[in-house]
Amino acid sequence: DIQMTQSPSAMSASVGDRVTITCRASQGISNYLAWFQQKPGKVPKRLIYAASSLQSGVPSRFSGSGSGTEFTLTISSLQPEDFATYYCLQHNSYPALTFGGGTKVEIK
Amino acid sequence: QVQLVQSGAEVKKPGASVKVSCKASGYTFTNYYMHWVRQAPGQGLEWMGIINPSGGSTSYAQKFQGRVTMTRDTSTSTVYMELSSLRSEDTAVYYCARLDLLLATPDYWGQGTLVTVSS
Repeated sequence: DIQMTQSPSAMSASVGDRVTITCRASQGISNYLAWFQQKPGKVPKRLIYAASSLQSGVPSRFSGSGSGTEFTLTISSLQPEDFATYYCLQHNSYPALTFGGGTKVEIK
Repeated sequence: QVQLVQSGAEVKKPGASVKVSCKASGYTFTNYYMHWVRQAPGQGLEWMGIINPSGGSTSYAQKFQGRVTMTRDTSTSTVYMELSSLRSEDTAVYYCARLDLLLATPDYWGQGTLVTVSS
């Protein structure tokens, strides 16, 4: 089974900060990676697909990069509505999915 | 518009079974696979399995093999997830999520069903 290790598990940041979240796969997954945002009491929302493609309607301050085993999600300038938990998701082992453990972004 | 409407919250005793439904509308039901994902309180997302509503074929996460059964009713555009031999660790919100065929990841999600396992 492919394992996805996300770091950090939690972080504090201020509005306007640049935020980077990392996801590492236990084996190569090409670019079969997506990033999701989840706010408390809400369902996950897809932000990025194919490692670096921005989902329609998602602000351009979100970006993704990486291939193989190492991936990053970057928020260029953190906004108040961005405080949430972020998950990476690999789908290289289709139909099985594996989520990362999540990164909670909190207000400093 | 695409909608996935799940059944209401459940409280079950350890050892019992629970069956959660997910009724789809706004698209051709048999054209899209459906995932089931769960989330324990304060925890992350966990993939449980997937069903093809067209033929009914399924694939389950190894962790749930033997305890989970996913079925569908094409006449009502509904998929079901039944989990048996419940234990306290199965307390979670259970989501159905439609598979985006092009991007191979979930696109639309149900609102979630809280299943509480408690004696």
